[in-house]
Amino acid sequence: AQSVTQLDSQVPVFEEAPVELRCNYSSSVSVYLFWYVQYPNQGLQLLLKYLSGSTLVKGINGFEAEFNKSQTSFHLRKPSVHISDTAEYFCAVSASPGNTGKLIFGQGTTLQVKP
Amino acid sequence: DAGVIQSPRHEVTEMGQEVTLRCKPISGHNSLFWYRQTMMRGLELLIYFNNNVPIDDSGMPEDRFSAKMPNASFSTLKIQPSEPRDSAVYFCASSFKGSDTQYFGPGTRLTVL
Repeated sequence: AQSVTQLDSQVPVFEEAPVELRCNYSSSVSVYLFWYVQYPNQGLQLLLKYLSGSTLVKGINGFEAEFNKSQTSFHLRKPSVHISDTAEYFCAVSASPGNTGKLIFGQGTTLQVKP
Repeated sequence: DAGVIQSPRHEVTEMGQEVTLRCKPISGHNSLFWYRQTMMRGLELLIYFNNNVPIDDSGMPEDRFSAKMPNASFSTLKIQPSEPRDSAVYFCASSFKGSDTQYFGPGTRLTVL
C-alpha cells in the first residue's frame, strides 16, 4: 500500500527567502506524485505533478519539485516566497496510476510567510 | 468554465438531523470523489465513483453515511443521523478518467451542534 509523509507540519519563512517543503512516499509500484495548495477557506488546487520523464517538475506560481526515486522523495521548492504563498500544502501519491483511482494525501504542511 | 460546484457552502445543524451535501462535477469528468477534512485526521477519502458507479467506499466512516451519483452531473453525500463528530469540511473533487488530476470544489463546512 502507498503512503505519504510530510516531514514538517509548519514551515515559517520570511518573505523573499527560499523554501523547501519535504515529502516522502512509500510504494511497491510506480507512482504518480502531486502537490496541491489550499488557500484559506478554499478547496485544493493543483500546483504540479510528476507522471514520468524529467525528474524536475515545474508548476504554477514559481514552484518546482524534484522526484528522487532512490530516496522516495518529492520535495517542493521555491527560490523566493511571497506573502501570498501562505497556505496549506499537500503532497499526494496516486494509488493506481492511470486508473483514476485514489489519491493518498499527506497530512499537509502549513507555509507561513512573514514580512 | 465552471469548476466543481458544491452546496451548501456552510451548514449548521443539530445532532440527530439529516444532512445532505451536494456536488456538481466538471462537465465531461467521469470520476467523482468525496473527501472529509478535519484538524485531527487531515484529508480523508470517503468514497469515489467512476461513471456514476461507486468503486471504493472503504473510507465511509459508518452506516450513517451514504453517497449517491444518480447521473454524471450530480452527487450527494448524506449523513443520517448527524453527530457532532461529523463536523468537518467536506470536499468534492472530479477528474477525467486517465488523467489522475483531481479538481476540487470549494467545500462545505458542516457544523453539528
